[in-house]
Amino acid sequence: GDSVTQMEGPVTLSEEAFLTINCTYTATGYPSLFWYVQYPGEGLQLLLKATKADDKGSNKGFEATYRKETTSFHLEKGSVQVSDSAVYFCALSFAGNQFYFGTGTSLTVIP
Amino acid sequence: DGGITQSPKYLFRKEGQNVTLSCEQNLNHDAMYWYRQDPGQGLRLIYYSQIVNDFQKGDIAEGYSVSREKKESFPLTVTSAQKNPTAFYLCASRSRDRGSNQPQHFGDGTRLSIL
Repeated sequence: GDSVTQMEGPVTLSEEAFLTINCTYTATGYPSLFWYVQYPGEGLQLLLKATKADDKGSNKGFEATYRKETTSFHLEKGSVQVSDSAVYFCALSFAGNQFYFGTGTSLTVIP
Repeated sequence: DGGITQSPKYLFRKEGQNVTLSCEQNLNHDAMYWYRQDPGQGLRLIYYSQIVNDFQKGDIAEGYSVSREKKESFPLTVTSAQKNPTAFYLCASRSRDRGSNQPQHFGDGTRLSIL
């Protein structure tokens, strides 16, 4: 069935390090892809999205490119800050209402 | 500002008691969802509703019930049949415009604990 697989966490980085969080998906069609961020004690916030192959979503220095050939949507940031410490979720959705979320990757950035 | 409001932020349940979590949205979204999140884990779908007066079970509906009498509201009741209700509950909504391109929008959650 349709699903999303994220890299296992937790991830710990020093401030200004480069971040990659891997996300791959399994789908029978062409879904839209999303990254959400969850800060402690809060709900999920949309970080970025891409709706078709080769689209690049970007926001707040984060980027992810929809790669159909590798069924991937990896999240990257060139220089992380302490304030980026959170849990990151990859998700996919098809027409209709079903959303599929990954299990989340916890990121801690240390000064 | 448009958004999703969940209340209360913290809730305590006694043994054998039913409790209801509130979710209200003013985004004019047709679809609404309830998820359960356990520590260090992802989201599990409890129930969802695509239109008023209609809802479907998700992956872990046992021990929960919902209603959708108004477009803006989608309350979740955690019944006494749910033996392990301690978790963080998230409500979300989504526009059904333009097919699959629309993201889900989330409230700030309700943390439910057993007394």
